[in-house]
Amino acid sequence: GAVVSQHPSWVICKSGTSVKIECRSLDFQATTMFWYRQFPKQSLMLMATSNEGSKATYEQGVEKDKFLINHASLTLSTLTVTSAHPEDSSFYICSARDPGPSYNEQFFGPGTRLTVL
Amino acid sequence: QKEVEQNSGPLSVPEGAIASLNCTYSDRVSQSFFWYRQYSGKSPELIMSIYSNGDKEDGRFTAQLNKASQYVSLLIRDSQPSDSATYLCAGGRGAGNMLTFGGGTRLMVKP
Repeated sequence: GAVVSQHPSWVICKSGTSVKIECRSLDFQATTMFWYRQFPKQSLMLMATSNEGSKATYEQGVEKDKFLINHASLTLSTLTVTSAHPEDSSFYICSARDPGPSYNEQFFGPGTRLTVL
Repeated sequence: QKEVEQNSGPLSVPEGAIASLNCTYSDRVSQSFFWYRQYSGKSPELIMSIYSNGDKEDGRFTAQLNKASQYVSLLIRDSQPSDSATYLCAGGRGAGNMLTFGGGTRLMVKP
């Protein structure tokens, strides 16, 4: 399957600061990437769909001004959590679709664990 | 009704047994379905995808889809302790086939 990386794998920050998370497709080009959030003992919740060269599509209830998504190239999407607060502490995971015949399959990056103090 | 529903478990099976994981879905989910395995603290790993009615086998794993009953299942044969994880069922929705995940079923395989 397709390989997706994320950086950083974990980050601790102070309340009010901004944090940028990178998601890269390593061996393929991804016109679409997805950003998810997972709280402890809960399932994945889709936050937004990141489209290369255009604006991201946010799910209902996700603040687009707080979670800034930039998909500037075919291999890189970034999620910036602006003015982070303790309630933003979560596991953030990106995914990308397989560009081959199994187009509908999504492969996940290793995730970024964010802790806001 | 949630779009994708799973029993949270835990489902406990002895080593070597067959583990059966189930998932139901609503009309809002389209006809593509996926099973992911997630170890604690890690991101999900794709196990199987299934798009048409019937069974699909891959090694020790068999996915089953019944569109009339809106039911998807995953069978794990010869369960191993390393199969202990949370199994997430996901259905695609919308033109972009975004994934909606169920809450996951925790599987425990006891030696």
